[in-house]
Formats: sequence, structure tokens, C-alpha cells
Amino acid sequence: QKEVEQNSGPLSVPEGAIASLNCTYSDRGSQSFFWYRQYSGKSPELIMFIYSNGDKEDGRFTAQLNKASQYVSLLIRDSQPSDSATYLCAVNPTSYDKVIFGPGTSLSVIP
Amino acid sequence: SAVISQKPSRDICQRGTSLTIQCQVDSQVTMMFWYRQQPGQSLTLIATANQGSEATYESGFVIDKFPISRPNLTFSTLTVSNMSPEDSSIYLCSVEVPGRETQYFGPGTRLLVL
Repeated sequence: QKEVEQNSGPLSVPEGAIASLNCTYSDRGSQSFFWYRQYSGKSPELIMFIYSNGDKEDGRFTAQLNKASQYVSLLIRDSQPSDSATYLCAVNPTSYDKVIFGPGTSLSVIP
Repeated sequence: SAVISQKPSRDICQRGTSLTIQCQVDSQVTMMFWYRQQPGQSLTLIATANQGSEATYESGFVIDKFPISRPNLTFSTLTVSNMSPEDSSIYLCSVEVPGRETQYFGPGTRLLVL
């Protein structure tokens, strides 16, 4: 059973702080990792992808991948109330034809 | 990425009726997916629709309840048949863009069954 796990939250952080969202996956051979943001009542939106170990930065977002430990994280610097959403981790496992989504972590940024 | 549209965007239906949801993509894609997302819940994959072959259904979903068509590389439909209030949910179409190894989502169809 290929699985992707996340803390459901809610995770609350004050405005301006760093929000840290974590995700673990079961398929050790997985190669592609994605973070989606989903605002309430909207569909998921791809915000980051990472393929290699280490960090990948895009504006206020940093994705971190550690394949040896089978976890991927998303850091949001200078969190804003507009970042309040559910964040879905997704993994493309080896020998599989579809992306596996985690259950999502609800983030609330408090002004 | 891909631009994906869905029709209808929302509907209110009576128990026992059926609704067909359309998904249109602005480019040719091999794989299209249909998800259900109930309020406050994560995504649940219903089926994968590939052009030229029968849809592949996930555990708990059957063709009689959720028939799917995929007549070409830019279009698919999902029908929710013999609806009950338990079918009230958001239905999302998703596509895998060639070379990107990930999926993009349509805006969703919000269904309420009374």
C-alpha cells in the first residue's frame, strides 16, 4: 500500500512567522514530490515540486526533500493571512501511474 | 500547465436522478482523473480515464454508479447515477500534463443531492 501521511492540523502560526508543514511517504523509490495549496471552496493548486534531495526555494516557499528519511516538507516564510489554506503533499511513486495525495494539513495564519 | 474547465460548476439534484459532469482541457492529455472531495475531507480518487480504453475504478467505486466517457484526448464526462444525499460532494477533474509528472485540477463541480 503506497501511502502519504501528513498531520491534519490545524496548524496555527502568527503573521510573519515561519510555517512548517511535513509529509512522509512509504514508497522508498519515489522520485517526484509536490505541494498543493487548496483554499476553502476551491480546487487544489500546484505551488511547488521537488525531485532532488535538499532545498528548493521559490519566493517565500521552500520545499525540502530527504529521500533517506522519506520525508518532504514545505516552509512558508513571513506567513501571511492569505496563506491560510489546506496544503496537500503529493508523491509520484515508482512504477505507478498516478500521484498519491496525502490527507492535507490545515494552516491558519493569525493576524 | 493546462487550463481545465468543468460543467456544471454547481447543481442541486433530487434523489434518484443522475448528473453528468463534463471536463474540458485546452491541450491533449493522456491521463484524466476524477476525484471526489467531501466537505472537510481530502481527495478520493474515483477512477482514471484514458482515451481509447475503459476507465479504471478505485476500490469502492463501480462503473454502474459512476460511468465515465473519454471520447478524445481533451474531454471526459463523469456521471453520478441514481443519486442519494451521500453523493453530495465536490467532484474534481484532474489531468496529468505530459512531461510534468504531476496533476492539475479543474475548478470542481459542487453537487448537492436532496
